[in-house]
Amino acid sequence: DAKTTQPPSMDCAEGRAANLPCNHSTISGNEYVYWYRQIHSQGPQYIIHGLKNNETNEMASLIITEDRKSSTLILPHATLRDTAVYYCIVSYFGNEKLTFGTGTRLTIIP
Amino acid sequence: DVKVTQSSRYLVKRTGEKVFLECVQDMDHENMFWYRQDPGLGLRLIYFSYDVKMKEKGDIPEGYSVSREKKERFSLILESASTNQTSMYLCASSNVGGRYEQYFGPGTRLTVT
Repeated sequence: DAKTTQPPSMDCAEGRAANLPCNHSTISGNEYVYWYRQIHSQGPQYIIHGLKNNETNEMASLIITEDRKSSTLILPHATLRDTAVYYCIVSYFGNEKLTFGTGTRLTIIP
Repeated sequence: DVKVTQSSRYLVKRTGEKVFLECVQDMDHENMFWYRQDPGLGLRLIYFSYDVKMKEKGDIPEGYSVSREKKERFSLILESASTNQTSMYLCASSNVGGRYEQYFGPGTRLTVT
């Protein structure tokens, strides 16, 4: 699986959009980008995934660049409950094993 | 809702003890996983199972074994606990043929003294 690079930490004001970047320059053509988050004292939770098209669900939007070498997870109106560690993972669809890195610690500031 | 439960939230064991961590999922998922999480190292896969009685080593299997006798239950075994196995242990499950989204339990914080 391709390796990902994320900033170790970020802050965002409550009510603003939180934009979390991820670099995956060695991604191959059929590898997907997955995002999970882990709120303190809980297990990780799936957020969204995508291949090359932008994706949106009730939790977030995923923007993948045209060359697929980077992506951005967008939380459109961040709340205090969005404070968590966010993991960007690249993996083949159907690969049961996901490699979690150390993620980005996002802190939402009141 | 998918539910993954782990037998204990906190566990304290002595060096050399045999330790069992239990995980149960209620969604008939084929795949189950055990991870450990340590500060600065993220989540690391210990073992996973893709069917009853089937298992595959993850990235750090040394010092651990697993058992899956029933589809809903996946056990992690520390044959002789050591202090370097003090960690947060997370269990997860996923379905084959769906989004391959992994559902996680709340974790067991194990302390080996």
